[in-house]
Amino acid sequence: DTAVSQTPKYLVTQMGNDKSIKCEQNLGHDTMYWYKQDSKKFLKIMFSYNNKELIINETVPNRFSPKSPDKAHLNLHINSLELGDSAVYFCASSQDRAGGGETQYFGPGTRLLVL
Amino acid sequence: ILNVEQSPQSLHVQEGDSTNFTCSFPSSNFYALHWYRWETAKSPEALFVMTLNGDEKKKGRISATLNTKEGYSYLYIKGSQPEDSATYLCAFPGYSTLTFGKGTMLLVSP
Repeated sequence: DTAVSQTPKYLVTQMGNDKSIKCEQNLGHDTMYWYKQDSKKFLKIMFSYNNKELIINETVPNRFSPKSPDKAHLNLHINSLELGDSAVYFCASSQDRAGGGETQYFGPGTRLLVL
Repeated sequence: ILNVEQSPQSLHVQEGDSTNFTCSFPSSNFYALHWYRWETAKSPEALFVMTLNGDEKKKGRISATLNTKEGYSYLYIKGSQPEDSATYLCAFPGYSTLTFGKGTMLLVSP
């Protein structure tokens, strides 16, 4: 069983569309994250949720809206997609907040291409 | 903004070579340092979490050391194999998240 899963794995869409990426973890973790891997392959935090509550919201356009229906799921909805949103998006989870020794477990990534 | 620097940016070695790379991080308010291994087209996987100054951790041919007073950690790979080819990331905890360095991309040729 995959510990952290994301769907879809690949997403090709037109500019202006709205799309969602889903993430689920079966590790019983309290904290989940969304990262964006930019064009320089740099992994940058977007959002962090702890027990369904938003605790980190980095400088991300408000077209990006995370939603956590329960602590095992953290979905990412993106409105009005732009070309610059093309990237790989990784979901991750950890037992508790990543304030120190908490290892993060990553999903396989969702490769988004906006045309 | 936390500054986590890794060097070199990339490294190309021959099979059997031993190699090492560096992660530099803020030495004040240290709590932990993480190392991750990230193979192309896969997701990052945790290697080590290091918390104590002078700590040394080992997993097979890969080991890491930590100097919290001067703010650096070394990752060593002994007798590199082609399957060691990956990007090695270090990460430093901030408020409720990890700040990742840009990684060292290692390529091991047979």
